[in-house]
This record gives sequence, structure tokens and C-alpha cells, in this order.
Amino acid sequence: DTGVSQDPRHKITKRGQNVTFRCDPISEHNRLYWYRQTLGQGPEFLTYFQNEAQLEKSRLLSDRFSAERPKGSFSTLEIQRTEQGDSAMYLCASSGRGTSGGAKQFFGPGTRLTVL
Amino acid sequence: GIQVEQSPPDLILQEGANSTLRCNFSDSVNNLQWFHQNPWGQLINLFYIPSGTKQNGRLSATTVATERYSLLYISSSQTTDSGVYFCAGKETSGSRLTFGEGTQLTVNP
Repeated sequence: DTGVSQDPRHKITKRGQNVTFRCDPISEHNRLYWYRQTLGQGPEFLTYFQNEAQLEKSRLLSDRFSAERPKGSFSTLEIQRTEQGDSAMYLCASSGRGTSGGAKQFFGPGTRLTVL
Repeated sequence: GIQVEQSPPDLILQEGANSTLRCNFSDSVNNLQWFHQNPWGQLINLFYIPSGTKQNGRLSATTVATERYSLLYISSSQTTDSGVYFCAGKETSGSRLTFGEGTQLTVNP
């Protein structure tokens, strides 16, 4: 029983560079979520996919951020022209169809981004 | 969106002590989860508990949905229980989990 996987686990980049992260959800899960966590805070929602459709985006997701889930399986999160304020842990979660709409979310190990 | 408040923000215990962590919600939720974040940042699922009471070993949780709060009990604490505990809820409309700011638990030997 494999869980949610994320790649890479760590990324160090220079300001202004583009970075891309990948998330592979639990295989039978059709819902996928991205969150961001900064030091000392709880995770904050970024975006949500149901199958390949991106159904919800947070205001945190600026124009420099884009997420895709082209075939309803894995997802990518790209950050263009990175800024030091983008340094954070990027977490991916997945869930199946829940009862009464409240499906349990399972989280991956995260990608820790450091922008120099 | 909903607001989630966790208390206390920090808790220091001696090994063997019991503790209660609390989570208050500003609005109704249909998904409530408790997590333990390990030192590498991974969120470990502890409980999925929109209502009622569940137990798993030394841990148990109770959610009183009508009063918009949840409690996490840790009994006979061990040093390995140290870390940050988060609760998160999902309001009845929408998909996102909203997290509290966490409780930093330190269990000393």
C-alpha cells in the first residue's frame, strides 16, 4: 500500500529561477490537493483537483504559480521567477470519495524549497 | 472560510504524564483530522473524527460537532510523542482543509 509521494524532497534554487515539483497520489484517489507550510505555521491550502479538473484555487496562488494534473493521476506545481518569500514546505495530499463530502486526506512527505 | 484555534500553543510534559489538546472551529465542519508532524515535516494521520470519540492505543479523540470543538488526549506520554500536533477542518462547502497553528509538545525523560 503506497502512500502519497513527492519529488524532489529538497530543492535549493536562486531567486528568479523556475522550479517544478511532482506529486503522485495514492493510486485509487481521484482528489489531489496542494498546500504550503512556512516555518512555525500550519499548512495553507493552495489548490485542489478532482480528476484532471482544477476546481479550486487559493488567493495565495499568485500568477507565478501554476498547477496541472493532465491525466488525473500525478500533478505538478511550477513556480516561475522564484522569490525568497516562496521558501516553504510544499505538501501534496490526496483523498478518495468521502461520505457526506468529507473525505480523509493523506499527505505526502513534502518538498522543502529554499530560495537563495 | 473557517477559523481554527488550537490550544495550548506549547506544552511541556514529563514522561508518563497525560495531556489534552484542544481545537475550536468558527463554523460547522464535515471533516476533522488530527495530525502529528514528524521532525522531517511529514504529517502523520492520527484521527479522522468529524464527530464522536475514537481511540488508538494511548491516543484518543473526541469531537463535539454541535459545539464546534475537538479534543486530543495523550495518556502516559513518551518522548517519542514530542512534535507538533495539528488539527484541521473542512467546512461543509468547499474542499480545503483549514489548519490551526499547532501545539508544540515536548515530552522530557
